[in-house]
Amino acid sequence: EAQVTQNPRYLITVTGKKLTVTCSQNMNHEYMSWYRQDPGLGLRQIYYSMNVEVTDKGDVPEGYKVSRKEKRNFPLILESPSPNQTSLYFCASSERTGVLTFGAGSRLTVL
Amino acid sequence: LAKTTQPISMDSYEGQEVNITCSHNNIATNDYITWYQQFPSQGPRFIIQGYKTKVTNEVASLFIPADRKSSTLSLPRVSLSDTAVYYCLVAPKKPGGSYIPTFGRGTSLIVHP
Repeated sequence: EAQVTQNPRYLITVTGKKLTVTCSQNMNHEYMSWYRQDPGLGLRQIYYSMNVEVTDKGDVPEGYKVSRKEKRNFPLILESPSPNQTSLYFCASSERTGVLTFGAGSRLTVL
Repeated sequence: LAKTTQPISMDSYEGQEVNITCSHNNIATNDYITWYQQFPSQGPRFIIQGYKTKVTNEVASLFIPADRKSSTLSLPRVSLSDTAVYYCLVAPKKPGGSYIPTFGRGTSLIVHP
C-alpha cells in the first residue's frame, strides 16, 4: 500500500532532550516536506526537500533540522526541543503531479 | 506565491449540496488548484485538483472560472461523515524551485442531521 509512515505517533518529552521524528514513503516520490499544525494556525511548512541531499526552509524552520540522505526517508530533528514546539506534525510526499500524500501525524508534547 | 482566502466555517444539513469558494487573486499561470479534506488528528487527504473550467470525480466537483481568481469545491448531498476541514491550495503542479504550498486555515464544515 502506498503510504507515508511517521514514527512515533505520540511522544512526550522534556525541554532540551534531542529527538527525531522519522518519516518514510514507499512511493518513490522526490518531494517530501514537514508541517506542523497548531489550533487556529492551520498547517505551516517547516522544511521541504526536492530530492536527495536537497533541502530548504519553509515558513517556520527555527528549532528544526532535517536531512535527506535517501529518497524514501526525511527525518525531522529537534536538537533542543522547547515547549513552543508542542504541536501536531505531519510529513508529506509528492510526485510530480503536486498532489501531497500525508502521514498520519505525530503528536509531540514538550514539557 | 498565491495566497488563498476561504470562509472560516460553514454549516449544512445531510443531503444538501455544499459549495465552498476559495479566492486566489494572484494565481500564477503554472499554478494548479488542489483541495484537501482533513478530519481531526488525521493528515489531510486529497479530494480534487484542477487548472481551469470544471473537474469532477466520484467525491466532488471543482469549478474554476475563466479568470482563475477563484474556485468552488462542490460536495453533492453531504453526509455527517463529510464534517471536516477543507483546504484550498494553489501551487505549481510540478514541484520546482521554491515550493512552499501554503495551506491557510481552511474551512470547517459541519454537517447537521
